[in-house]
Amino acid sequence: AQSVTQLDSQVPVFEEAPVELRCNYSSSVSVYLFWYVQYPNQGLQLLLKYLSGSTLVKGINGFEAEFNKSQTSFHLRKPSVHISDTAEYFCAVMSRGYKLSFGAGTTVTVRA
Amino acid sequence: NAGVTQTPKFRILKIGQSMTLQCTQDMNHNYMYWYRQDPGMGLKLIYYSVGAGITDKGEVPNGYNVSRSTTEDFPLRLELAAPSQTSVYFCASSSGGVDTQYFGPGTRLTVL
Repeated sequence: AQSVTQLDSQVPVFEEAPVELRCNYSSSVSVYLFWYVQYPNQGLQLLLKYLSGSTLVKGINGFEAEFNKSQTSFHLRKPSVHISDTAEYFCAVMSRGYKLSFGAGTTVTVRA
Repeated sequence: NAGVTQTPKFRILKIGQSMTLQCTQDMNHNYMYWYRQDPGMGLKLIYYSVGAGITDKGEVPNGYNVSRSTTEDFPLRLELAAPSQTSVYFCASSSGGVDTQYFGPGTRLTVL
């Protein structure tokens, strides 16, 4: 079985500053990794995913994430955030059976 | 192309009442999922379906039932509502495997 730990529950950040959201997973088998974003009162939408190949994955809205197999991590970064990036971010893992396991989420609040 | 739609958006139930949460997708996806989202807990898989007539339990199926008579629809049934079922419910669909799951806007259910 796999589990996902998002190390920060809340991340306040100023507009135009960089942000990093940390995600660690545990799994004994190969995994596929995802980041989803949930804007207030909306469903989740995919930011990016790692399936194979290059460990640096670029997603929508200027986000990127790096897969680190030795540290079992998949941290999400953005070099300069906007007010509109205020949202909840979920890391998720998929392995056998193609079912997603989600982390508890990180709330990002961007302030002017 | 509406994607994944869910009805109702909000509902308040009394303990012991029953209701059906509706989910419809127009992307011709074979796979459909029901999740519940509780504060600070991420999303938990309730049930999923890999095609019409095929359903299976997820991580937290107790107190719920599903059916899948068509590709488009995947209703979730609560038979005897309990306060522990107060949550936000999300339906999702995908082409299967590691393909992106597309989420509906959610149903906020309160059981009093």
